[in-house]
Amino acid sequence: QQQVKQSPQSLIVQKGGISIINCAYENTAFDYFPWYQQFPGKGPALLIAIRPDVSEKKEGRFTISFNKSAKQFSLHIMDSQPGDSATYFCAASITVYQAYNTDKLIFGTGTRLQVFP
Amino acid sequence: NAGVTQTPKFRVLKTGQSMTLLCAQDMNHEYMYWYRQDPGMGLRLIHYSVGEGTTAKGEVPDGYNVSRLKKQNFLLGLESAAPSQTSVYFCASSYGTGGSYEQYFGPGTRLTVT
Repeated sequence: QQQVKQSPQSLIVQKGGISIINCAYENTAFDYFPWYQQFPGKGPALLIAIRPDVSEKKEGRFTISFNKSAKQFSLHIMDSQPGDSATYFCAASITVYQAYNTDKLIFGTGTRLQVFP
Repeated sequence: NAGVTQTPKFRVLKTGQSMTLLCAQDMNHEYMYWYRQDPGMGLRLIHYSVGEGTTAKGEVPDGYNVSRLKKQNFLLGLESAAPSQTSVYFCASSYGTGGSYEQYFGPGTRLTVT
């Protein structure tokens, strides 16, 4: 199954709070898990990413937690700020063997985060 | 550097009309991609290219054609637009393949088919 399930669909957090977005997958062939951030009217931009041999990766206020056995990973935003208000997409990368071998990104359905002052 | 640019930004088509979306990148990237973004469905890969003169199908290729005549440009064509193709279209590019090569996205084209 080449699907990535993401929840919640929307999230409202007070300034200073912790935002948590969860994703789950079935296919163990996925080998790279990035998170993208998208502001209204803009294209997605890479926020942070992790490989399955690592259980946690932290960059500033953003942390990915990865549970390989449960096939789940999550994004934690500490000290959430109004500027973090955006849509967040988890994704998983898989190598596809077609006419041209390449890695494809399978995206989750997105989480709209709103951080109120 | 402009990064990835897309033209046009908005377009309204009538059913059956055709159009071409242009994507340009100035980062000398080999790989380019076209995605569509629909509410509640995330981004889905339409077609991709691994270099000048190459194209390949993604998850949802039906109703679309692409061309990569120049390394910096990736064109997405709709020969006979349908209301189901109403969407926001994003182009992306990357230096290489493999998840660790970041995909850089353009600002998107909002297409409405009536």
